[in-house]
Amino acid sequence: DQQVKQNSPSLSVQEGRISILNCDYTNSMFDYFLWYKKYPAEGPTFLISISSIKDKNEDGRFTVFLNKSAKHLSLHIVPSQPGDSAVYFCAASAFDSGGSNYKLTFGKGTLLTVNP
Amino acid sequence: KAGVTQTPRYLIKTRGQQVTLSCSPISGHRSVSWYQQTPGQGLQFLFEYFSETQRNKGNFPGRFSGRQFSNSRSEMNVSTLELGDSALYLCASTQGFSTDTQYFGPGTRLTVL
Repeated sequence: DQQVKQNSPSLSVQEGRISILNCDYTNSMFDYFLWYKKYPAEGPTFLISISSIKDKNEDGRFTVFLNKSAKHLSLHIVPSQPGDSAVYFCAASAFDSGGSNYKLTFGKGTLLTVNP
Repeated sequence: KAGVTQTPRYLIKTRGQQVTLSCSPISGHRSVSWYQQTPGQGLQFLFEYFSETQRNKGNFPGRFSGRQFSNSRSEMNVSTLELGDSALYLCASTQGFSTDTQYFGPGTRLTVL
């Protein structure tokens, strides 16, 4: 049962254009969402996050949108740069059924390629 | 501040062997989580240790185990290796709170022949 889904394994955009990476989730208990970026041979690095009480969070060229009713979040990168080419992981956090421990669940990732 | 370190970076083992991977978290971080990354499954959560105790566990067989030491360093052990265990094993550290950013190490690439 995949609770966090990134349905597009890859995305290709032109430099300067907008990149939109999508993520859907099924667990309504998720209350914190994060995006990580991963280059080959490196561990994922944190990019941006959003709490479930917000619907938008912006950090420079990166904006994350959360639509709780649709259980959908997206990452917008504007303008896209060749250095943004990487695998992007969506992650969601929730406390377990006992309410004492949280767990981070990752999607499978989307490979973004920004062409010069 | 030094980042998360993992050793070794690469390992080649044969089926049936066991392997131990090591992770040193960022200084001051008390939580260490382990993940398995494979091309088809993305990042899958193995377990989390906080203050030397396993706090969370994913859906992996008992062949996968771990521990955490008093200095927060963590080890992960896989016994009776199978071909399907070939993957990138990542550890991440946080201070231990739910909204903390996880800081990942570079990973250990395990190949099982």
